[in-house]
Amino acid sequence: GNSVTQMEGPVTLSEEAFLTINCTYTATGYPSLFWYVQYPGEGLQLLLKATKADDKGSNKGFEATYRKETTSFHLEKGSVQVSDSAVYFCALGGYTGGFKTIFGAGTRLFVKA
Amino acid sequence: DVKVTQSSRYLVKRTGEKVFLECVQDMDHENMFWYRQDPGLGLRLIYFSYDVKMKEKGDIPEGYSVSREKKERFSLILESASTNQTSMYLCASTLKRGLGEQYFGPGTRLTVT
Repeated sequence: GNSVTQMEGPVTLSEEAFLTINCTYTATGYPSLFWYVQYPGEGLQLLLKATKADDKGSNKGFEATYRKETTSFHLEKGSVQVSDSAVYFCALGGYTGGFKTIFGAGTRLFVKA
Repeated sequence: DVKVTQSSRYLVKRTGEKVFLECVQDMDHENMFWYRQDPGLGLRLIYFSYDVKMKEKGDIPEGYSVSREKKERFSLILESASTNQTSMYLCASTLKRGLGEQYFGPGTRLTVT
């Protein structure tokens, strides 16, 4: 079946460090891929998305590229801030999987000043 | 802005009690979802609904039921709460089934003692 695997956390970085959170997926067909972010005490909100191979999603300095050949959608940011501390979820949706969105386990990021 | 609200942020109930969690969205979305979020497990789908009075089981429906009498409101019911239902419950809605962004409420942290 369809699944999403993302790197385990927590990830701890200093301010202005480079961030990578790995995400790989298994799916039949052509899914859409998403990154959601959950700040403390809040629900999830969409960070970025990509709907087809080679698309790059970007928002708030974060980027991720839909790589069909490696079935990956890694999240990157060139310079993290303390305010980026949150839990990040990779997700898969679309026609595949019966229209349900499948979420990864989440990766907690701590950014130190 | 889409707004998804949940009736309670924190709830403490006793084993065996009947528990109602309410979710309301204000964007006329047809699709609504209930998830539970547990550390290391990500989000797991309990039930979803694609229309009024329509419901479908998700991945972990046991011990839960739902009600969708009006388009904007989707209720999750724990018929007889048990300690293993202690969790964070998240409601979400979306305009497009599985294709687009899901909008989440802030969550209800339920503790069953």
